[in-house]
Amino acid sequence: EAGVTQFPSHSVIEKGQTVTLRCDPISGHDNLYWYRRVMGKEIKFLLHFVKESKQDESGMPNNRFLAERTGGTYSTLKVQPAELEDSGVYFCASSQDSDYPYEQYFGPGTRLTVT
Amino acid sequence: AQKITQTQPGMFVQEKEAVTLDCTYDTSDQSYGLFWYKQPSSGEMIFLIYQGSYDEQNATEGRYSLNFQKARKSANLVISASQLGDSAMYFCAILDFGNEKLTFGTGTRLTIIP
Repeated sequence: EAGVTQFPSHSVIEKGQTVTLRCDPISGHDNLYWYRRVMGKEIKFLLHFVKESKQDESGMPNNRFLAERTGGTYSTLKVQPAELEDSGVYFCASSQDSDYPYEQYFGPGTRLTVT
Repeated sequence: AQKITQTQPGMFVQEKEAVTLDCTYDTSDQSYGLFWYKQPSSGEMIFLIYQGSYDEQNATEGRYSLNFQKARKSANLVISASQLGDSAMYFCAILDFGNEKLTFGTGTRLTIIP
């Protein structure tokens, strides 16, 4: 069974540009989460999808970030326009409600560098 | 709000020795879950072990065990017989069952010395 995949693995963009990160969850997982780790700090929650609906987007930093999950499968996270403080590693995770112990399976992350 | 504190930014341990990674948490929830994840240099987050707040026994998974002390709000990870492959970042996290949101600590970088 394939794990959570993320694309791209690395992205280097200039301030003001747009970047779109993609996450493919484990097949059949209804829950999809985005997290971010800024250099040297803790990993922070961004938002949670249940199927195609946003369950909780309380962690989204501002309106430059837009997440979508059309059809309840893969998800995209767009940053527009990117700022220097957006640099970090963006993780995607997925889980299935029926799983115990509510384990969230993480992808390898996308390292975003804004210059 | 929930909070995880990992007070050891880095640790060096001799191979084959046991190591304890500290984690304390703060939550007002009665029911919650505690996790440890390993992040090797390749970047992926690997689930290691889980402890539910109502589990009476400490969780164990192979060489990993979780020393859960609920009254002290601590959930330390113990790795027995450390191996070179254990060198990685280790994150402690708490799960809010209500919103399924994980809150992480800042991590501990463990280096195993041959």
